[in-house]
This record gives sequence, C-alpha cells and structure tokens, in this order.
Amino acid sequence: QSVVTQPPSASGTPGQRVTISCSGSSSNIGGNYVHWFQQFPGTAPKLLIYKNNHRPSGVPDRFSASKSGTSASLAISGLRSEDEADYYCAAWDDSLSGRVFGGGTKLTVL
Amino acid sequence: QVQLQQSGPAVVKASQTLSLTCDISGDSVSSNSATWNWIRQSPSRGLEWLGRTYYRRSKLYNDYGISVRGRISINPDTSKNQFSLHLNSVTPEDTAVYYCARELFGSDFDYWGQGTLVTVSS
Repeated sequence: QSVVTQPPSASGTPGQRVTISCSGSSSNIGGNYVHWFQQFPGTAPKLLIYKNNHRPSGVPDRFSASKSGTSASLAISGLRSEDEADYYCAAWDDSLSGRVFGGGTKLTVL
Repeated sequence: QVQLQQSGPAVVKASQTLSLTCDISGDSVSSNSATWNWIRQSPSRGLEWLGRTYYRRSKLYNDYGISVRGRISINPDTSKNQFSLHLNSVTPEDTAVYYCARELFGSDFDYWGQGTLVTVSS
C-alpha cells in the first residue's frame, strides 16, 4: 500500500479539463517536491512535471500541476485521446529516506 | 542525448541474486549533477524505488529503499560508465519490470532505461 495515494482511475471527454489528485503526508509531499510521470503500456514512465509545477521541454502546456500542504494535483486541459495513459506522482519521503510513488491513476479518454 | 541501456537475465531462480547493468551514454556515472537509480514495477507493488548511487565531490554515496534494504547493492563502474543492481535472496515477489533511471539535479527522473522483465522462478 502506497504512502502516497492517488485515485485508481479518472476519465474525461476530448477537450475537457481533468485533474488527478495525489495525497501524502508531511514527511513526503508536505516537505518535498512532487513530480509527475506519464506511462503508456509497455513503456518506461516519462517525466511530465518536476519540482511541483515545472514542465520539461517538449511537454505541452496543457499539462500543469500544483501543490498545497500535503496534497498535489495534476491538471490536463484540452484533453486528447493520446493523453490516455497511467499517471504517477512521486516525492522523497524523509521518514523512509527514499523515494515514494503514488499507486497511479489510469486516465481514460471517453 | 542521454541513453540508458539495460542488460541482464530475464529469469532468476529463487534464493539467488538478481543482477542487472545499466550502460550510460551521453552522461557520466561520476557526474556531480545526477544520481543513478533503480526502480521496479509490478502489478502488486506498483512503481517502487529501489535505490541510487551518486558522486559528490568524488565521494560515493548510496541510498536504498526500505523494502529491499539489506538485500541490495548498487555499484557504479566508472571505467565502463555504467552502474549495476544486485538484489540477493530473491523470491517470486521480486518478479517485476526493472528500470534504471537518471535523476538530474534540479529536475527529476528524466531518462529511463528500456526496462527488463525479471521473473523469479521457484
């Protein structure tokens, strides 16, 4: 069971805005950066957002993220069919002295 | 362009040692701006960080995940510009896709290996 929790699924229609939440504690999200990853079946995760709200070059600005207290969220605006993937949040955990990942959210584009 | 190329056996017998290697191109395992990580993924455990190795001012550091602490070692090889994972006393619970990944200072896991499915046979 992950110390950082995400909803197992989310969905939206093309063009919609969807958000995915990530909830933790003061030892992880509350005190450290949150990062987000996108993963398609059979491929390695891809860095989508780093340090709470920064996009690597090449990531569309349709993807944004924020953090407040011990929670974080990823927002995808102008949803497209190609956004259908699994999304993971991650943070360093001071109590565990290691990186923790959320359980992942499967995004379905209806 | 950074590339990480993984190699190692796809099947390991229970109680033995799982060993994987990650060859680095486009960066250096002795970089002071990166850490070199192993992460695994299974349906039952999701994404699980196993540990990392890195240099700072020529001193080597290692950190290991709590779930595998005591069974794991991650070792850099500067002559071959690679790093390796050794996980001993494996059980079928260690069956997973294993990834190596670079964590860049100021960013995060920005480059990943292709993944290796390792099955622990009983």
